[in-house]
Amino acid sequence: ETGVTQTPRHLVMGMTNKKSLKCEQHLGHNAMYWYKQSAKKPLELMFVYNFKEQTENNSVPSRFSPECPNSSHLFLHLHTLQPEDSALYLCASSQDSRAGPYEQYFGPGTRLTVT
Amino acid sequence: QQQVKQSPQSLIVQKGGISIINCAYENTAFDYFPWYQQFPGKGPALLIAIRPDVSEKKEGRFTISFNKSAKQFSLHIMDSQPGDSATYFCAARRGQDYKLSFGAGTTVTVRA
Repeated sequence: ETGVTQTPRHLVMGMTNKKSLKCEQHLGHNAMYWYKQSAKKPLELMFVYNFKEQTENNSVPSRFSPECPNSSHLFLHLHTLQPEDSALYLCASSQDSRAGPYEQYFGPGTRLTVT
Repeated sequence: QQQVKQSPQSLIVQKGGISIINCAYENTAFDYFPWYQQFPGKGPALLIAIRPDVSEKKEGRFTISFNKSAKQFSLHIMDSQPGDSATYFCAARRGQDYKLSFGAGTTVTVRA
């Protein structure tokens, strides 16, 4: 595997379910990001982790819970979601989110549908 | 508040034509302006980027024009090809914390 991978690629869940999205980067980076992409809207930054420490929570509802056990893996735990949470969830990584203007590399995303 | 405004939302161009996408911003703290290309089923990928001390940057058929005084920048795709059909996002990055603000995207369709 190369670059940034995300699983699952598609997820359909009910409003009362609990599920998790997984992201893995194979680039040796130290920063990882979650973005939400909705149709015809700008990408919304949700969370940033730098060296496993959460450095950004962009006022995301608590029904989204991130976890970063190491610099290569990032999870997004989902519970009691709303239909408006249906979107493409993108993971990205970069060398360091704070020490330099490093480029972000994106995964293919998880298409989430909340029914 | 949307920090980067992008237009048009979509455009259709004939093969060999020129595609032009425009973006505007207000925050003078932005110091780096990348463009991303996204194909269906893929994540965005960096296409080309420019800094505000340069008025134009060209890479192959892709050119960024930057107007610092107007706070506007645009992407030109010359000799558009069907393989260029994708969604294009402009973005702007703040120098103090490297956060990216994205435009809403432009879906480009190149007809053969």
